[in-house]
Amino acid sequence: KAGVTQTPRYLIKTRGQQVTLSCSPISGHRSVSWYQQTPGQGLQFLFEYFSETQRNKGNFPGRFSGRQFSNSRSEMNVSTLELGDSALYLCASSWGLAGVGNEQFFGPGTRLTVL
Amino acid sequence: AQKITQTQPGMFVQEKEAVTLDCTYDTSDPSYGLFWYKQPSSGEMIFLIYQGSYDQQNATEGRYSLNFQKARKSANLVISASQLGDSAMYFCAMRDQWNNAGNMLTFGGGTRLMVKP
Repeated sequence: KAGVTQTPRYLIKTRGQQVTLSCSPISGHRSVSWYQQTPGQGLQFLFEYFSETQRNKGNFPGRFSGRQFSNSRSEMNVSTLELGDSALYLCASSWGLAGVGNEQFFGPGTRLTVL
Repeated sequence: AQKITQTQPGMFVQEKEAVTLDCTYDTSDPSYGLFWYKQPSSGEMIFLIYQGSYDQQNATEGRYSLNFQKARKSANLVISASQLGDSAMYFCAMRDQWNNAGNMLTFGGGTRLMVKP
């Protein structure tokens, strides 16, 4: 079974631009979560989608948004990029909502650099 | 609010020896799950082991075991017979597991493990 895939793997943007990152979950998984990882703040939860609905949202400004499609693929968008948005963005998928044995499996991440 | 603390920023271990990575947590929720992930330099988070708050026995997965002490709110990862490929960042994480809480994970700051040949 194929793992979680994320595209692109690397991205360089300039301040003020916007960016869209994509995540394809493991086949059969309906939950997709996004995390931001930076050296200063560590790993922080952005949001989670389940069956095309946002379930949870972390403490990030409205410039960060996401969506999920009917095939469970998810995209996240960051508008008006700032230097501090430079980070590794990780996507994780699960078959359902929280429960025993419902592990999250992570993709390889997208490394975003904002110049 | 949930909080995960990993007090060891970096650790060295000799190849073939066992090592314990510390993790303490804080939560007021009665049902939760504890996870350990490994992150090599490539960046991908690799799931290692899971422990539920109501599990009576400590979880084990191959060379990984979780020393779960609920009263002390600790969930230490034990890696037996360390290998050079174990050199990586290790993260402890927690998740609510009731009322359809979703899959949001709260992570600790991580421990960088370096295995010496």
